[in-house]
Amino acid sequence: KQEVTQIPAALSVPEGENLVLNCSFTDSAIYNLQWFRQDPGKGLTSLLLIQSSQREQTSGRLNASLDKSSGRSTLYIAASQPGDSATYLCAVAGDSGGSNYKLTFGKGTLLTVNP
Amino acid sequence: DGGITQSPKYLFRKEGQNVTLSCEQNLNHDAMYWYRQDPGQGLRLIYYSQIVNDFQKGDIAEGYSVSREKKESFPLTVTSAQKNPTAFYLCASSTGAAGNTIYFGEGSWLTVV
Repeated sequence: KQEVTQIPAALSVPEGENLVLNCSFTDSAIYNLQWFRQDPGKGLTSLLLIQSSQREQTSGRLNASLDKSSGRSTLYIAASQPGDSATYLCAVAGDSGGSNYKLTFGKGTLLTVNP
Repeated sequence: DGGITQSPKYLFRKEGQNVTLSCEQNLNHDAMYWYRQDPGQGLRLIYYSQIVNDFQKGDIAEGYSVSREKKESFPLTVTSAQKNPTAFYLCASSTGAAGNTIYFGEGSWLTVV
């Protein structure tokens, strides 16, 4: 059974700092990995999608990497801003059972960027 | 605007009652999903549908039912058999396999009183 772990559970940083969020998964037979942002009481917004054949994806100040063989992904946020404060969730699609429709989520990292 | 609409946003239910959460999408997506989120937890898959008139159980389907009679609609019924239904429910859709970008609605809060 696929399991996804995110570390740290919470992170508080001063504005302008660069930071890294970590995600690990137990079954490397994934189809892809996605990073999402969730604001309090809201739905999820997809930030980056990395296919299993890719190593990284970039969007603006965000960069996500994927090392499928070691079961790890990182989300790098450059020059953090207070508006980046949210919960960041990692999810992997697929496992050795062959279901590409099933996303397995981590519990998220609660990020607070202080002005 | 294109997107996913969930209703109601907040719902209170008495124990023993069934309740139906609505999910409508105008993105022309084939696949739709229902997730449950408990405080401080990740999302867990309840049901998903790859195509109209077809759906499969996710990890926590017990006490829930769905239908997919139209491409744009995927309602979720929380039945009285669901022992702990108080949670945040999220509907999502994608163009095909979950391997494509998945889009979420704003969620529905269900509280059992």
